[in-house]
Amino acid sequence: LAKTTQPISMDSYEGQEVNITCSHNNIATNDYITWYQQFPSQGPRFIIQGYKTKVTNEVASLFIPADRKSSTLSLPRVSLSDTAVYYCLVGDRSRRALTFGSGTRLQVQP
Amino acid sequence: GAVVSQHPSWVICKSGTSVKIECRSLDFQATTMFWYRQFPKQSLMLMATSNEGSKATYEQGVEKDKFLINHASLTLSTLTVTSAHPEDSSFYICSATQAGLNNEQFFGPGTRLTVL
Repeated sequence: LAKTTQPISMDSYEGQEVNITCSHNNIATNDYITWYQQFPSQGPRFIIQGYKTKVTNEVASLFIPADRKSSTLSLPRVSLSDTAVYYCLVGDRSRRALTFGSGTRLQVQP
Repeated sequence: GAVVSQHPSWVICKSGTSVKIECRSLDFQATTMFWYRQFPKQSLMLMATSNEGSKATYEQGVEKDKFLINHASLTLSTLTVTSAHPEDSSFYICSATQAGLNNEQFFGPGTRLTVL
């Protein structure tokens, strides 16, 4: 499994755009990049998944450069309720088990 | 989306007792279920993988005789923490996958176990 590296923590203010970058230098050809969000005392929640270029859904965008050695989760106009831990995971979609890294603790201030 | 539930959401027990945690897929049949453990301020760590009707596969360092997993149906997996001790206090999270959906994992809300 490709190892991922994320910042341990980030701070932001309400209304700002937040970009969280994840490094995965040894990503394999069949690997996808998936981001999860976890609030305290809750299970992780799927945010977005991508393979290359850009993916956008109703809550976030995922930017993946051509070499795929990194990815950036973009949260537009964050609110206090976006305060959570964000995990970047990389793996083949045929693999069942997920390996969680340390995640990024995002704190949104008023 | 697919929903996974866990019961109980929290439990407090005395040291030496056993505790059973249930994980259910509510609107789909889960071919595979996973059990994770999460200590405070730490990430999730995979404990075991269970497939319906077969023995669970445990990760290295996880005692299979202490953490009993039963996946008797396509919608229910149980984790029993036997002879619980304070160091077993943790947040236990299950997830389930449905065949054919890119193996996306759907996570339960977690169970907070406190052993006194």
